[in-house]
Formats: sequence, structure tokens, C-alpha cells
Amino acid sequence: DAEITQSPRHKITETGRQVTLACHQIWNHNNMFWYRQDLGHGLRLIHYSYGVHDTNKGEVSDGYSVSRSNTEDLPLTLESAASSQTSVYFCASSESLAYTDTQYFGPGTRLTVL
Amino acid sequence: DQQVKQNSPSLSVQEGRISILNCDYTNSMFDYFLWYKKYPAEGPTFLISISSIKDKNEDGRFTVFLNKSAKHLSLHIVPSQPGDSAVYFCAASGVPGNTGKLIFGQGTTLQVKP
Repeated sequence: DAEITQSPRHKITETGRQVTLACHQIWNHNNMFWYRQDLGHGLRLIHYSYGVHDTNKGEVSDGYSVSRSNTEDLPLTLESAASSQTSVYFCASSESLAYTDTQYFGPGTRLTVL
Repeated sequence: DQQVKQNSPSLSVQEGRISILNCDYTNSMFDYFLWYKKYPAEGPTFLISISSIKDKNEDGRFTVFLNKSAKHLSLHIVPSQPGDSAVYFCAASGVPGNTGKLIFGQGTTLQVKP
């Protein structure tokens, strides 16, 4: 089984709809991250969490929210989807807060907002 | 303000030759640098890293060089193989207050031709 999963892998939605992307990891890592990948921008941090009930805004957090009710999951919600949020979304996790710690990524969710 | 920059969007090399991917950064507080590799429809995977106290780190065919005075790092792949064709992201971390977070470059798409 994959260690960090994302669902759905592909999603098409309409402007204004609420969308939730799921992320699940089995390592019991404390730290979880959400990124979006866009051409010319690389990977940009949306939100991150250092543990249960902890959430923090990243570089591009407007229009997104997260909640952390358990260690394994960090769902990402687009409150009212916009065309500018069409992107590929990656979830990642890491074990410790050491800056040398590796982040492990999920396979990504391709979201299209029409 | 892009703190980590990969100025070459793409690179094409012949199989067996050397691939050199470059990365520049602006924040002198960065203390640790990583390279991630990404295949289509997959998440990024960790490739190699280097601490700011070193100027070189080698792992098989992959070597990362760090020039702190120039705020520049490079990834050398020798010899290049068709399976190395992927997008390569450099990332930086270690800024106080940015615990556990990575700042990514825009990515460079490497094509290794048989």
C-alpha cells in the first residue's frame, strides 16, 4: 500500500463550488503540508500542520482551509472554487521539525475549475 | 519574491553525458538544500541533499555542489540515463522561524535522449 495517499486523483468542478481534497498518511508523521504546482512557479506552500489541531497558513493560503482532527489526515478545502485554483495539488508529510528532515509526497490531485 | 530560482525551464542531454542542473537562492539564512525528482503523474521524491557546512555531496551518479558565496547550487548527473528524464526541483530550508518548511524553485525538466 502507498504510504501517503491523495483522493481524488482527478477532479473537475465548477466555479463557486466547495471542494475537499483528501490526504492520508500511515507513518504517524506529525507534520503535514499542502502544496500546489503551477508552471513557472514550482511548488508553493498552501497550508501546513505540526500536529493535531494545529494549522498554519503558507505562502498562497487565500481561498483554502485545512483542519487536523487526527494524525493521519489533513484535508484541504476550497471554500468557493475559482478558475485560478486550477492546479495540481500535492500533500506531503515529515516526521520531525528538524530542517534536515525529508518530506514525503503523495501522488497529487489534478483539479480543474470550470 | 522568488527566494529559490531555477532559471532553466528545460535541459536536453544525450545518454551517457553529464547533466548539470542549476539553482540560485537569495536568502543567506538558508542552511540546507535538497533536490527532488518528479515523474509525470507522480509526486516528487527526495533525491539528494547538502548542508551549508559542506560544498559537495555525492550519491552514486548524483552529486550536488554548493557555492555559498555565490548562493548557487548545482546537481550533476553522470552518466545521464533515459530514466533520469523528469522534472527536478531544488529546495531550501533552515531559516529560523520557518521550521520544517521547504522553499522550492520552479523546476527544470530534464530530457535524456537515447
